[in-house]
Amino acid sequence: GEDVEQSLFLSVREGDSSVINCTYTDSSSTYLYWYKQEPGAGLQLLTYIFSNMDMKQDQRLTVLLNKKDKHLSLRIADTQTGDSAIYFCSRGAAGNKLTFGGGTRVLVKP
Amino acid sequence: NAGVTQTPKFRVLKTGQSMTLLCAQDMNHEYMYWYRQDPGMGLRLIHYSVGEGTTAKGEVPDGYNVSRLKKQNFLLGLESAAPSQTSVYFCASTLAGSYEQYFGPGTRLTVT
Repeated sequence: GEDVEQSLFLSVREGDSSVINCTYTDSSSTYLYWYKQEPGAGLQLLTYIFSNMDMKQDQRLTVLLNKKDKHLSLRIADTQTGDSAIYFCSRGAAGNKLTFGGGTRVLVKP
Repeated sequence: NAGVTQTPKFRVLKTGQSMTLLCAQDMNHEYMYWYRQDPGMGLRLIHYSVGEGTTAKGEVPDGYNVSRLKKQNFLLGLESAAPSQTSVYFCASTLAGSYEQYFGPGTRLTVT
């Protein structure tokens, strides 16, 4: 889906914070999601945020939503080597369909 | 609970051959989906189903057909495979009204 865009790659040192950014064009979505894909596996839901929220925190994960700029971000605190994966931003549509961004590959260096 | 399973895990086809990918879920989910994943393009929805006996087209349905004869199974068919269908195919399912889709491990298909 071209209406959800992400940067391709992020490199971060272990212990630092990671911030993955996403922009979208369709503002009608009720939910916005972050999925994680580890090598050779399917996608796993990490967290989500309702469109009427600005922020959601879930342990090491913080999601920020700027509705005016149609910008969504995922912050991972104290990034670990196990956080190395591809992260997908997605938005919900009618019929509980999802539109995905192209994914951001996060590489955590020791 | 096996969750969402996909068969086969890998397959190589010649152009023009046909095949069926099987997705099964044991969570009693109403909705099921087939996606393809190509490098740098995220997942694109091929077809989906909101219940047994019903299917609908997604974003990239051409060249594929689907069937949902049983609630737990969702089949994706390629009648005449083309190299452009080389991809990783993911199946997902969810409860009606839920925000979380559960994904299978994927099927890597190569068409030569």
